[in-house]
Amino acid sequence: GAVVSQHPSRVICKSGTSVKIECRSLDFQATTMFWYRQFPKKSLMLMATSNEGSKATYEQGVEKDKFLINHASLTLSTLTVTSAHPEDSSFYICSARNPSGRGTQETQYFGPGTRLLVL
Amino acid sequence: GENVEQHPSTLSVQEGDSAVIKCTYSDSASNYFPWYKQELGKRPQLIIDIRSNVGEKKDQRIAVTLNKTAKHFSLHITETQPEDSAVYFCAASQPGGGNKLTFGTGTQLKVEL
Repeated sequence: GAVVSQHPSRVICKSGTSVKIECRSLDFQATTMFWYRQFPKKSLMLMATSNEGSKATYEQGVEKDKFLINHASLTLSTLTVTSAHPEDSSFYICSARNPSGRGTQETQYFGPGTRLLVL
Repeated sequence: GENVEQHPSTLSVQEGDSAVIKCTYSDSASNYFPWYKQELGKRPQLIIDIRSNVGEKKDQRIAVTLNKTAKHFSLHITETQPEDSAVYFCAASQPGGGNKLTFGTGTQLKVEL
């Protein structure tokens, strides 16, 4: 249990285009999902907390109009990188909590990540 | 907000030796401390976690200790094997706010034959 998937795994796009990344909890319902960004050989930086049925909570310094988050169902959150530029190139990882699962209610399970390259 | 420091940034041990990674946190309200293992290009995998009402937890070759007073916690891996080689991240979580995690900077562990 507690499997999280992400799609796509890798995407290359032109500067100025928008890219949508999907995060799904496959075998549980997740009222809360998280979006992280990870640069090579660096730590995971939380971008935002995605709440089902309500607006996402963004971390300081993260532009909410640049990184649009939608959590329309209990198993799906999407991150859209709008008007992407080369500096947006990164590894984007989502995670989800499974409060009713085997782990503690705080346990976060991570998706496999999406590698974005903006040319 | 919470700040988590992690040391060392790199650690090289001989197969069979023990490895210890240490983290400190700043927010005394933090009450949940997971450790993740991340192999290159892969997702972080939870390997062990501890809550603030417990001082130590062990799972086979892996153990975590927590000192709430000093606000530090450590990961101990015994009898290391080459497949333990990876980047390890500690994290801390506070109640509320969706239980978001603040991660340490990571430790690159290399287990040499």
